[in-house]
Amino acid sequence: GQQVMQIPQYQHVQEGEDFTTYCNSSTTLSNIQWYKQRPGGHPVFLIQLVKSGEVKKQKRLTFQFGEAKKNSSLHITATQTTDVGTYFCAGGDSNYQLIWGAGTKLIIKP
Amino acid sequence: DSGVTQTPKHLITATGQRVTLRCSPRSGDLSVYWYQQSLDQGLQFLIQYYNGEERAKGNILERFSAQQFPDLHSELNLSSLELGDSALYFCASSGLAGGNYYEQFFGPGTRLTVL
Repeated sequence: GQQVMQIPQYQHVQEGEDFTTYCNSSTTLSNIQWYKQRPGGHPVFLIQLVKSGEVKKQKRLTFQFGEAKKNSSLHITATQTTDVGTYFCAGGDSNYQLIWGAGTKLIIKP
Repeated sequence: DSGVTQTPKHLITATGQRVTLRCSPRSGDLSVYWYQQSLDQGLQFLIQYYNGEERAKGNILERFSAQQFPDLHSELNLSSLELGDSALYFCASSGLAGGNYYEQFFGPGTRLTVL
């Protein structure tokens, strides 16, 4: 079946360093959503991208949707302790369902 | 607070038993989704209901079943429980047709421990 691959599985960064997670699909997606799950919490919607090549920013977070609508990335500039958590992408398939990536866990080294 | 409620918060039971998890979606949301999240793992989509009818099925075991009632709350039934069923079970809801263009609002989850 259709899959959305998300890498890396974990990323350790020093506070203040940047962080990026990538999602790739073998097929064209209709849209992509990003969610954040804090430790011990539930996933919370961050943003949705729909258009080819779309770039959206939320303060230090930059979200991109590839030109072919097969890949997406989330980049965090100058990480802070509040950024800790797992970031999930979820791509919309042709059956109007979301296909979830496995998530990238952001760990900030003390 | 997402507006999605789940009960119970914690559930401890023995192998072979049956449990029911309950979810109330946000007011007005017609779609309900169930997910399983094992320790430090990703979200496994189980099943979606829309306005009382099954809409999509994911990796849901035959021992598991769900339903959505006329008041739109949903229940996930897990039977013949095994140790490997221990996980966090999330319910999420979304508006309108609940397709992939609508954000999902997650409840706080039910942590199931099978001993």
